[in-house]
Amino acid sequence: SAVISQKPSRDICQRGTSLTIQCQVDSQVTMMFWYRQQPGQSLTLIATANQGSEATYESGFVIDKFPISRPNLTFSTLTVSNMSPEDSSIYLCSVEWRGGLYNEQFFGPGTRLTVL
Amino acid sequence: GQQLNQSPQSMFIQEGEDVSMNCTSSSIFNTWLWYKQDPGEGPVLLIALYKAGELTSNGRLTAQFGITRKDSFLNISASIPSDVGIYFCAGRRGKLTFGQGTILTVHP
Repeated sequence: SAVISQKPSRDICQRGTSLTIQCQVDSQVTMMFWYRQQPGQSLTLIATANQGSEATYESGFVIDKFPISRPNLTFSTLTVSNMSPEDSSIYLCSVEWRGGLYNEQFFGPGTRLTVL
Repeated sequence: GQQLNQSPQSMFIQEGEDVSMNCTSSSIFNTWLWYKQDPGEGPVLLIALYKAGELTSNGRLTAQFGITRKDSFLNISASIPSDVGIYFCAGRRGKLTFGQGTILTVHP
């Protein structure tokens, strides 16, 4: 399986500021994703991070609010811009990894963000 | 859009009991995945199902990919305290869609 690390693991931020979350994978992967998990809720896909091109955003998420970088096949960043308390969530990096015949999807440990 | 209905929302059981949870959808999925999430952690993949009708076990866990491709269940046998957590089903057709989760509490 792929081993995923995220930095920071948690942060407390002031409204109006921005936070960049880093995701590092121990092997090269084609597909990387960013999810949001609001308190007590399920996971919602924010965007697919494409290597060498712009990220593909899901409905309700825009690049100005959640800019994403994917400079290579093992690294991605998600920035939460101009934060408000409603952005308080766990942000999760995920990768699709080919385990044998099929693709499996693994998650990082998450970044717990609190916006005051 | 694609939606998954996961049930039950929560379960309170005694150690040693068996557990069953399921997910249904109005949409067809090509893959069903089951994850467990502990507090403060990311979801961990438990079982992956790739073919309609497939029945797969992983230790005390058993999961099946429904024949209609619109549902899946997860069974946990002889539960132990460390089974506590939130269990999510996820279906994939293109992107991954998650159920709402089942919160499992196991009393010793």
